[in-house]
Amino acid sequence: DADVTQTPRNRITKTGKRIMLECSQTKGHDRMYWYRQDPGLGLRLIYYSFDVKDINKGEISDGYSVSRQAQAKFSLSLESAIPNQTALYFCATSEVSGEQFFGPGTRLTVL
Amino acid sequence: GQNIDQPTEMTATEGAIVQINCTYQTSGFNGLFWYQQHAGEAPTFLSYNVLDGLEEKGRFSSFLSRSKGYSYLLLKELQMKDSASYLCAVRDNAGNMLTFGGGTRLMVKP
Repeated sequence: DADVTQTPRNRITKTGKRIMLECSQTKGHDRMYWYRQDPGLGLRLIYYSFDVKDINKGEISDGYSVSRQAQAKFSLSLESAIPNQTALYFCATSEVSGEQFFGPGTRLTVL
Repeated sequence: GQNIDQPTEMTATEGAIVQINCTYQTSGFNGLFWYQQHAGEAPTFLSYNVLDGLEEKGRFSSFLSRSKGYSYLLLKELQMKDSASYLCAVRDNAGNMLTFGGGTRLMVKP
């Protein structure tokens, strides 16, 4: 079984709709992250959480919100989706130090 | 601020050696990571350097010079399955925050 899972894997939606992307992990890590990836721009950090009570904005948080429901769950919401939020979204987890482990990604298309 | 540069694309021949460079200018530094990412898949960890020098792991090696803000990933005995993007990422001092470069797309030809 995968250690970091994301749902859905693919989603097509319309401008103005509210969308939630979910991430779950079985690695027991406290730290969780949401990134988006656009061609040629690498991975950019949206939000991160170092424990259940800790939420922090990343480089590109505008238009997004998150919820850390439990140590194992971290969800990303787009309150009112717009076409330039079309991207590949990755969730990741880590211990305090060490490498980050990435989920399989969610491909989101906003029409 | 953080600025990380990598070549956009590289091409190499099966069986050969290729070096992928990464230069960085960051406000803090607590290690450099290399990840491999096949098209449409998740990045997977390859290597980590925090001290100057070479780290070797099988066919892959990674080098770091902190004074020059420079790292490279060396891939030996290239295989077709090594065709992928290679992402350089720098960790800051404040926590486990990674800033990624744009990635280098490597194409391995027969």
